[in-house]
Amino acid sequence: EIVLTQSPGTLSLSPGERATLSCRASQSVSSGYLAWYQQKPGQAPRLLIYGASSRATGIPDRFSGSGSGTDFTLTISRLEPEDFAVYYCQQHGTSPRTFGQGTRVEIK
Amino acid sequence: EVQLLESGGALVQPGGSLRLSCATSGFTFTSYSMGWVRQAPGKGLEWVSSITDTGGATYYADSVKGRFTISRDNSKNTLYLQMNSLRAEDTALYYCTKRGVGPRAMDDYWGQGTLVTVSS
Repeated sequence: EIVLTQSPGTLSLSPGERATLSCRASQSVSSGYLAWYQQKPGQAPRLLIYGASSRATGIPDRFSGSGSGTDFTLTISRLEPEDFAVYYCQQHGTSPRTFGQGTRVEIK
Repeated sequence: EVQLLESGGALVQPGGSLRLSCATSGFTFTSYSMGWVRQAPGKGLEWVSSITDTGGATYYADSVKGRFTISRDNSKNTLYLQMNSLRAEDTALYYCTKRGVGPRAMDDYWGQGTLVTVSS
């Protein structure tokens, strides 16, 4: 199975700062089938990005995704208070679909 | 508005069984594959199982294969997960997910989850 490794484990930033989250795959992710999800405490995950770079419905444009092959990035251009959460990447091109272990974005 | 409402979670003894349900609304249920993803307390996300739009094909994680069965009732817009021979490591919040368009689509909507606790 494809193992996804996210870094850093925790990102401590202030509102207004830029966040850069990394997701590295153990083998190439088929056709860019890479998604990002946001999870806040006590809530279900929410789809942010699919196809590596397409924003899901209703997602603000401060969220952007990039990358291909084995290296992917989620960027939050300017952190808003509601963006502090845990972020997961997921590859859904090869069975079994797998998730990274998550990156926590916390207020500095 | 897409809605997914899970139910059926409970405290069960090791070796026991449970059936989870996911009632859906707000989309054409028969047009989409569906899935289950779980999250152990304080841990990350793990795909469990998925089923195609017609129910003609099902898929399972190795960790649950042979013990769990996914199914759907397209007349009731409802997804199920029959869980047998439960183990302590199956303890988790179980999310129902709707897939997007296509056989390898992402999980675009998630329910709020139902908690399964396996303990004596």
